[in-house]
Amino acid sequence: GAGVSQSPSNKVTEKGKDVELRCDPISGHTALYWYRQSLGQGLEFLIYFQGNSAPDKSGLPSDRFSAERTGGSVSTLTIQRTQQEDSAVYLCASSRGQRETQYFGPGTRLLVL
Amino acid sequence: AQSVSQHNHHVILSEAASLELGCNYSYGGTVNLFWYVQYPGQHLQLLLKYFSGDPLVKGIKGFEAEFIKSKFSFNLRKPSVQWSDTAEYFCAVEAGTYKYIFGTGTRLKVLA
Repeated sequence: GAGVSQSPSNKVTEKGKDVELRCDPISGHTALYWYRQSLGQGLEFLIYFQGNSAPDKSGLPSDRFSAERTGGSVSTLTIQRTQQEDSAVYLCASSRGQRETQYFGPGTRLLVL
Repeated sequence: AQSVSQHNHHVILSEAASLELGCNYSYGGTVNLFWYVQYPGQHLQLLLKYFSGDPLVKGIKGFEAEFIKSKFSFNLRKPSVQWSDTAEYFCAVEAGTYKYIFGTGTRLKVLA
């Protein structure tokens, strides 16, 4: 079947604008993860969904970041009032469950000017 | 705070050389350990994982890793690298119910 898909693949925005990033997990995968990869950094864990619930949102960098998941499938990561330091690659992964192998999407490359 | 250290940021090897990439983590409890690989132009994918049992884990493409609990290490090895192993390698630790901590990655370049 299809893998994890993310859209858009690239996004250029102006400082202060809101952006919405989308993740379509593999069908049937109950767990979904968002990560951020900044230049020269490892993957920074942002948030995890089990079904539609996010048990811990403390990984989100600030209150400008929010995420939701609906129908146990698609997830959106929203960044409000973007700042230049938000520029990064945002990766989504899904798995059959907790501690199962994560399958990563291609990422969304965000550039905030 | 939990962390994962990958000491080698860039490694350059000739084909047929042996490879060992270091990974150390800081967490005193039970951990699950992973190595992921990202080939040029491709998505991150799982190379191997350790949950319990034999501390020597074998993965795809001839890679293996050894969990040494006393050293908090999970080093990745391959006896003889190929040009196609050129990629970025990430060590990761799952130290809670869901939270994964990744290292900063090691870029491996294999010269043909």
